[in-house]
Parts: sequence; C-alpha cells; structure tokens
Amino acid sequence: GNSVTQMEGPVTLSEEAFLTINCTYTATGYPSLFWYVQYPGEGLQLLLKATKADDKGSNKGFEATYRKETTSFHLEKGSVQVSDSAVYFCALRVQAAGNKLTFGGGTRVLVKP
Amino acid sequence: DTGVSQNPRHKITKRGQNVTFRCDPISEHNRLYWYRQTLGQGPEFLTYFQNEAQLEKSRLLSDRFSAERPKGSFSTLEIQRTEQGDSAMYLCASSLDWTGDYGYTFGSGTRLTVV
Repeated sequence: GNSVTQMEGPVTLSEEAFLTINCTYTATGYPSLFWYVQYPGEGLQLLLKATKADDKGSNKGFEATYRKETTSFHLEKGSVQVSDSAVYFCALRVQAAGNKLTFGGGTRVLVKP
Repeated sequence: DTGVSQNPRHKITKRGQNVTFRCDPISEHNRLYWYRQTLGQGPEFLTYFQNEAQLEKSRLLSDRFSAERPKGSFSTLEIQRTEQGDSAMYLCASSLDWTGDYGYTFGSGTRLTVV
C-alpha cells in the first residue's frame, strides 16, 4: 500500500536557523508529492508540490525535491521565522488510487525569537 | 468564493447519539473528500465524491458512517450511534480536476467530541 513517514517532532529552532523535515514514502504506482502546513487554529494549506521525479517544489522560502531513487521529499527552509511555527504534513497521491491523499503523521515546528 | 466551508466548527455529543456534519466545497470543484484527523496524527481518508457519485469508501468508514452529496454540491457526513472513538477532527476538501494537480482546498474542519 501507500504510506508516508516523516520525522517526529517537535522541532524547536531559533529564528533564522535552517530547517529540514525528512519525509520518505512507499507507493504502489507513481505518486505526486505534497507538503501541507497547518497553522494554529487553521485548516490545512497546500505549501508546495512536485508531480514527477527531480521536480522541485517551492513556496514562501520552503523547498522540497522529489527524489525517486531515495523515495524522499524532504522539506527545507534556509532561514525560519517565528511565523513558520506550525505543523507540517508530507503527503502523496497516486492517480490510480482515486486521487486521495495519504498523509504522514505531521511534524510540529516551533520557532523561538 | 470563501473556500471550503464546514459546519458546525465544534460538536459535543453524548455517546449513542447521531450527528451530521456539512461541507460546502468551492462551487466549481467537482471532487469532494472527507478525512478524519485524530490528535497528533495526520488526516486519514474516509471517502470521496466525483460530483454526486460516491466513488470510494475507506475501511475506516464503518456501517455507522454515511456520506451523501446530493446534486453534486454540498456534502453531509452522518455518524450514527456515536462512540468515544469517533472523537476527532473531520476535514472536508475539494478539488477542481480529476488529477488533483491544482491541489486540494481543505476546510477548517468540524471537531467532534463524544462524551
């Protein structure tokens, strides 16, 4: 089946630090990969996506590269801000599986000033 | 368009009662999904609709759960004879195209507490 594994949190960082959240996946088929973010008290928002191998998704200073050889889609940001404090979810979608999303367990990130 | 709307935001119910949640997707989106998120976990797929047709149901969706999307617009999720294990955030999402490459838009969810 399809599954997503991401590093457990919480991850606590100081402002302007470098952030990496690891995400690996298993999929039956050729998945598209996503990162979603959930800010406190808000719904899930799409942060970035990549639909084929070696694609790089980017948004708001965050980046993730679709690595088929390592089945990974790690999220990175070079300099975090307090406003980046949130829960981040890695997810995949396989068209043959009805386009439903399979999520990882989420990683809580706390950025301190 | 104000996005995906879910009502109510919070629901507290006694064990054994029935509850119904509503989701209003973005008007032009033809796909609608229901997910369940328990505390500290990622969302888990429950079911989805293409227009008014319910195309897939997860094994997580027991016989006590039923979802409808009449006329391919809003959707309702009903839980009969609620149990404490049903306590969770119920999320609705919609998407425009069948590939989902435009991404899904999630609502803010309905938090259910069964006491």
